[in-house]
Amino acid sequence: DSGVTQTPKHLITATGQRVTLRCSPRSGDLSVYWYQQSLDQGLQFLIQYYNGEERAKGNILERFSAQQFPDLHSELNLSSLELGDSALYFCASSLTGYSGANVLTFGAGSRLTVL
Amino acid sequence: DAKTTQPPSMDCAEGRAANLPCNHSTISGNEYVYWYRQIHSQGPQYIIHGLKNNETNEMASLIITEDRKSSTLILPHATLRDTAVYYCIGSNYQLIWGAGTKLIIKP
Repeated sequence: DSGVTQTPKHLITATGQRVTLRCSPRSGDLSVYWYQQSLDQGLQFLIQYYNGEERAKGNILERFSAQQFPDLHSELNLSSLELGDSALYFCASSLTGYSGANVLTFGAGSRLTVL
Repeated sequence: DAKTTQPPSMDCAEGRAANLPCNHSTISGNEYVYWYRQIHSQGPQYIIHGLKNNETNEMASLIITEDRKSSTLILPHATLRDTAVYYCIGSNYQLIWGAGTKLIIKP
């Protein structure tokens, strides 16, 4: 158990639907990161939050949005789902939001299947 | 942000040292080199990181060249459980993750 909790573990839904993925960071960590990993691909950075504020943005689609709440948990909202959105979605957390000596701890991921 | 280059796959015999190379010729002076691994479809796991000096922990050793343009991750006594994809990334890692090296440990 890494200390980063992601729910749900598996999710199957239909095209056009909307889903919410949830992440609770490791205790004491202030920063949360979201990544997408399609089948047999590397990790694609989506977005980072630090202490409730957006810190960095990657190739996140306009149909996707995220936020970090005062208790530091984060949610990734995916809407108007397409077949190509089927992927593993990982959340990671770190103590600070700065690059440098800043180790990421990853959750087990949420596997989204869009039919 | 440093872009890293790694061989797509490597084999290693169980019990031998696995040496995984990484080229990061565009790394800036204050940018760390990190190594993570991903076993099957699990969440990536941190292994080690370094800036200039060689580093060692309970999992691995990291050798960084003096010009910092490349590094090598060493798993001293590889086991079957070390079969995974290994990622080498620069400090601004949240942006750039390559395809990594798929390391297969053979009995």
